[in-house]
Parts: sequence; C-alpha cells; structure tokens
Amino acid sequence: DVKVTQSSRYLVKRTGEKVFLECVQDMDHENMFWYRQDPGLGLRLIYFSYDVKMKEKGDIPEGYSVSREKKERFSLILESASTNQTSMYLCASSLKLAVYQETQYFGPGTRLLVL
Amino acid sequence: AQSVSQHNHHVILSEAASLELGCNYSYGGTVNLFWYVQYPGQHLQLLLKYFSGDPLVKGIKGFEAEFIKSKFSFNLRKPSVQWSDTAEYFCAVTPAYSGAGSYQLTFGKGTKLSVIP
Repeated sequence: DVKVTQSSRYLVKRTGEKVFLECVQDMDHENMFWYRQDPGLGLRLIYFSYDVKMKEKGDIPEGYSVSREKKERFSLILESASTNQTSMYLCASSLKLAVYQETQYFGPGTRLLVL
Repeated sequence: AQSVSQHNHHVILSEAASLELGCNYSYGGTVNLFWYVQYPGQHLQLLLKYFSGDPLVKGIKGFEAEFIKSKFSFNLRKPSVQWSDTAEYFCAVTPAYSGAGSYQLTFGKGTKLSVIP
C-alpha cells in the first residue's frame, strides 16, 4: 500500500512565525502535491512538484513556498504565518508525469492553527 | 480552466435509502473524472474514476457513477446506504490531455453525507 505521511497532525503557531509542513511518500512517486482544505471550499491546490527541485504553482500559492530536495519528501513553507492560513493541509502523491491518469494518494492531513 | 459543481452541501439519509450525489463540471474538452471520499478522521481516498470506455463506473463499497457527456455530469450513486457511508464526498475533474509540467485537477466543494441508523 502507498503510504503518505505528514510530520504533524496538529500544529499551533503564532502570527509571523515561519512554519514547515513535511510530507513523505514511500512509493517512489514522481508527483507530489500540497492542498488546503477548508469547510465549504473543498480542496484547493497550493503547489505541486513533478520531479526533484521542480515545482509549479497551483490555484492559491500566495503566502506559501515549497521545497523538494529528495524524491520522497515535499515540504510546504509558510514564510510568515497569518491567521487566514489556519486550515487543514493535505499532501498527496501520484505515480507518473501523466497526472491526469494517475490516482492521487493522500496523507492524513495537518491541522494548522495560527494565533 | 475547468470547474466542478457539487449541488448538495449536506445530504441526510436513513439507512437503506438510495443515494445520488450530483456532480457537474465545466470544461470544453475531454476529461477524466474522480470521486474521492473522506470518512471521519481518515485520509481522503479514491472511490472510483472514469478515464474512457463504459460510462458506468463501479467503485469500492457498492458505489457507482455514470458519466453523461451531454450533461457534463458524473453523478455518484448507491442503491442502499449504510451508516458506515457517513463521510464527505468530493468530485474531481482533470483534462484528459495535459502538457508536461502542467496540472489541472480540480475538486468540487464536497458533499457531506450523514446516514441515520
């Protein structure tokens, strides 16, 4: 079974802090994704990566950056956390470059509260 | 860019009732379609997907969905729901052909299903 793990289930941070969310997948998937999930808004793509050191902006990249130094690990960075970034963050991975044909496998999510 | 509309925000059913969750998408070309489910406290997981061929797709746990191209719809159905089907359901769409480096999977806002024993 594909396993996608996220470093924290719950995080509480203060406004202005730098926040790192880590995601690791164990199935040698090329593609990795970061979404945020908010009630009534569904899932919105923040960034994705189709290879090491490659990244592309999703629908809502403002206020976020990402890092992918190794194939199995994809980090989401909030340079200066703000209260409107309080949300559930989901990481996902999929097998091939042809993302439109591949199932995405999701991690358990990190619920971030910014005070 | 494509968009996905899920008409029902919250559906409440009694056990053994039939289920149909609506999903409509907006996109001018060929698409691939997905239904994902998120049970309380669990990961989001794939329920079923459509790429091509038979427009009636069967997924896990007795769910099925029918792709009706003329209506831009991909409704999810189950003939008899159980309490364990209580979850949030997300429809998602992606263009069937994407260039290298591009990515356009779009999710709907989700439908919460509550099944009353």
